Amino acid sequence: EVQLVETGGGLIQPGGSLRLSCAASGFTVSSNYMSWVRQAPGKGLEWVSVIYSGGSTYYADSVKGRFTISRDNSKNTLYLQMNSLRAEDTAVYYCARAVVVAETNWYFDLWGRGTLVTVSS
Amino acid sequence: QSVLTQPPSVSAAPGQKVTISCSGSSSNIGNNYVSWYQQLPGTAPKLLIYDNNKRPSGIPDRFSGSKSGTSATLGITGLQTGDEADYYCGTWDSSLSAGPVFGGGTKLTVL
Repeated sequence: EVQLVETGGGLIQPGGSLRLSCAASGFTVSSNYMSWVRQAPGKGLEWVSVIYSGGSTYYADSVKGRFTISRDNSKNTLYLQMNSLRAEDTAVYYCARAVVVAETNWYFDLWGRGTLVTVSS
Repeated sequence: QSVLTQPPSVSAAPGQKVTISCSGSSSNIGNNYVSWYQQLPGTAPKLLIYDNNKRPSGIPDRFSGSKSGTSATLGITGLQTGDEADYYCGTWDSSLSAGPVFGGGTKLTVL
């Protein structure tokens, strides 16, 4: 079965760090464009980061310099290392597979169930 | 404040038709393809429409998408109670902070 399963969320104090994992099955992470998308409580979707099949990485301005996306090909798993966490980073974090038809034609065809990150003292 | 503007809510009776609008600009919808996602309560988003008007396998033809200029529309016919969900539009934004962007979401209530 093709699926994504996120883990690693939890309650963390402001300024702390957390690493999210996304285990993929049924397809190869390294052959795809993989993203993280987050949803703050009661809010809409916000793209966070992407790692291309070639390894290039890109970030939303809101997390640039604080978050790092990576993957472990041997484990077929995507990661998001989150440092210097802020209250506004509180959200459900979804792992999603991006289909990139052209440089500016993206859509997300497979989503995980998400993991909740709460940043609070 | 989302880059793409959607109405916060829409409602219609079972069996009826509803449309959900998504308004943007020339830096996003005006020059790029639009996708739509359905998020049932307590679940992850699910792709409904891509490339403005294409449906993934398994999505019924009750769901349709269209784009004109800097706006896009999701249409749902033959409404069912199971269609009650939040719906999001998405596209690429080519402004200074280029990347994928989404609308703020529209809650559909089937009365």
